[in-house]
Amino acid sequence: ELKVEQNPLFLSMQEGKNYTIYCNYSTTSDRLYWYRQDPGKSLESLFVLLSNGAVKQEGRLMASLDTKARLSTLHITAAVHDLSATYFCAVDPTGYSSASKIIFGSGTRLSIRP
Amino acid sequence: KAGVTQTPRYLIKTRGQQVTLSCSPISGHRSVSWYQQTPGQGLQFLFEYFSETQRNKGNFPGRFSGRQFSNSRSEMNVSTLELGDSALYLCASSLGGGSSYEQYFGPGTRLTVT
Repeated sequence: ELKVEQNPLFLSMQEGKNYTIYCNYSTTSDRLYWYRQDPGKSLESLFVLLSNGAVKQEGRLMASLDTKARLSTLHITAAVHDLSATYFCAVDPTGYSSASKIIFGSGTRLSIRP
Repeated sequence: KAGVTQTPRYLIKTRGQQVTLSCSPISGHRSVSWYQQTPGQGLQFLFEYFSETQRNKGNFPGRFSGRQFSNSRSEMNVSTLELGDSALYLCASSLGGGSSYEQYFGPGTRLTVT
């Protein structure tokens, strides 16, 4: 059964610092997603990574995918308070032409303090 | 373009009752997926519908069922409610199939079972 593991589960950072969230998964996958969730809110899509070596950046967030290592990273550069949220990675192993069955990691609760 | 809508947003039910939740996808999206989010189990995939057909199902008991209508709107039903069914239920829509990988989440329905 596919497992998706994130670490750390909790992260308290100072503003201005850099940090990385790691996402390991246990089987081959064609699609890797990163989502953000604010308390009491729904999920916001951040990145969709579809191929080995894919790198995407949006503002202070950058995501990458290494399908051989079954590892994705979400790097935060010069963190600001507005980035405080829970970040989820998710994997869909079902193939390009098949139905979706996205499996989520446990989430990383990120708190950025001044 | 209107986003994914879910109704109702909040619901309180008693053990043993049944409940129906509704999800209207983004216009043109044909795939609707349902997820359950709880503090203990995290985000878990329930099922995915595409063109009125269930294409994938998660590991939930038969009390959880769903359907999709010809206009792509989807409903999820939970019968004989248990306390453990208290959760945030999220639906997500996507174009579905091919390269349409990005899922857009609705605001969720928070179900409380007493």
